[in-house]
Amino acid sequence: QQQVKQSPQSLIVQKGGIPIINCAYENTAFDYFPWYQQFPGKGPALLIAIRPDVSEKKEGRFTISFNKSAKQFSLHIMDSQPGDSATYFCAASIGGSARQLTFGSGTQLTVLP
Amino acid sequence: NAGVTQTPKFRILKIGQSMTLQCTQDMNHNYMYWYRQDPGMGLKLIYYSVGAGITDKGEVPNGYNVSRSTTEDFPLRLELAAPSQTSVYFCASSYSGFVLAGNNEQFFGPGTRLTVL
Repeated sequence: QQQVKQSPQSLIVQKGGIPIINCAYENTAFDYFPWYQQFPGKGPALLIAIRPDVSEKKEGRFTISFNKSAKQFSLHIMDSQPGDSATYFCAASIGGSARQLTFGSGTQLTVLP
Repeated sequence: NAGVTQTPKFRILKIGQSMTLQCTQDMNHNYMYWYRQDPGMGLKLIYYSVGAGITDKGEVPNGYNVSRSTTEDFPLRLELAAPSQTSVYFCASSYSGFVLAGNNEQFFGPGTRLTVL
């Protein structure tokens, strides 16, 4: 079963906090793990992605941590801002194939001012 | 560039009606995709296309049809609308079929919210 389980479903933090969103997968054939950010009324947009040969990747305030042995990966948002309030989806793919992207169920993040 | 545009933004259908969701991209992308997003769920791939004249099924194709006569357009057809097709539909495009980070990412349209009553 190509499932990606995402938690929590919703998350509220204060400005400056570090929200953490977690995802777990079962299929060891997954080799590409992107995160998407979706604002209300908009389509998802690629935020950051990681391959399993590295344990961490940073882009600005966004960091992905990857634990291959536990089959888990997480998104950390440093110094969160109200503008980061959005829904975040993790996903996984085999061979980076777009038609085999499996999405998590999403986390609705609210950053309070 | 307008990117990926979708019409309509909202639509209410009665059971058994048919409609076409329009999708156009102006980025000269080869690959195009249709997803549905149900509440509390991630996106699921309905159909995709690797170029004009070539389409293939995704994870949830039943009840839908697609065509790709041009590079720019990828319409999604619902022939006999059912309540189970109530969802938000997203069209996306990418230059290639591989979504490696920093290259060939998928660009999504703003979505069509469809309700079937």
